[in-house]
Amino acid sequence: DTGVSQNPRHKITKRGQNVTFRCDPISEHNRLYWYRQTLGQGPEFLTYFQNEAQLEKSRLLSDRFSAERPKGSFSTLEIQRTEQGDSAMYLCASSFRVAEAFFGQGTRLTVV
Amino acid sequence: QKEVEQNSGPLSVPEGAIASLNCTYSDRGSQSFFWYRQYSGKSPELIMSIYSNGDKEDGRFTAQLNKASQYVSLLIRDSQPSDSATYLCAVTTDRGSTLGRLYFGRGTQLTVWP
Repeated sequence: DTGVSQNPRHKITKRGQNVTFRCDPISEHNRLYWYRQTLGQGPEFLTYFQNEAQLEKSRLLSDRFSAERPKGSFSTLEIQRTEQGDSAMYLCASSFRVAEAFFGQGTRLTVV
Repeated sequence: QKEVEQNSGPLSVPEGAIASLNCTYSDRGSQSFFWYRQYSGKSPELIMSIYSNGDKEDGRFTAQLNKASQYVSLLIRDSQPSDSATYLCAVTTDRGSTLGRLYFGRGTQLTVWP
């Protein structure tokens, strides 16, 4: 197992376009998290899944954001009608139950 | 609001010195504590976890936890230039809807100069 994998690594999009990111967690991990990080800040929680169930979504997350984890395997994060303020590093992490969380390489989104 | 505060950086130490990184947290219900290292432009890498009061050592790294004071620290002995990175403190509560969610500090930037 090579760890948490995220794709794409970089994404440049025009304002108003939709984007989708993918995360493949470590295979035996049942919990999957999405975070967002901007320059000079720590990662900010977006949402998490236990198996296929989305258990919590940050109140800071607008309705333009949606995440899925079909069959409890990989997860996708979609941002609709992107805005310049969405530019950030989007991080996925996975863990087994409530143990240590391991992060993927991240997807850097730039909205122009 | 659960807050995690880290000592403001940047922190600069010479090679071979001990680097001391500090973190305080606001939620007394916090149960698990982690230190992540993040190189510029990269994602966070877990380097230490600690769950009970006291010290935990792993190689050149020592994590210290004091739940009564709501304080956790990371000591890096024999600092190397390759340790230059931002160190993120993170905590979780192990209950309720926030189970497993990490709360991060803003990070402390460490520079180790030769």
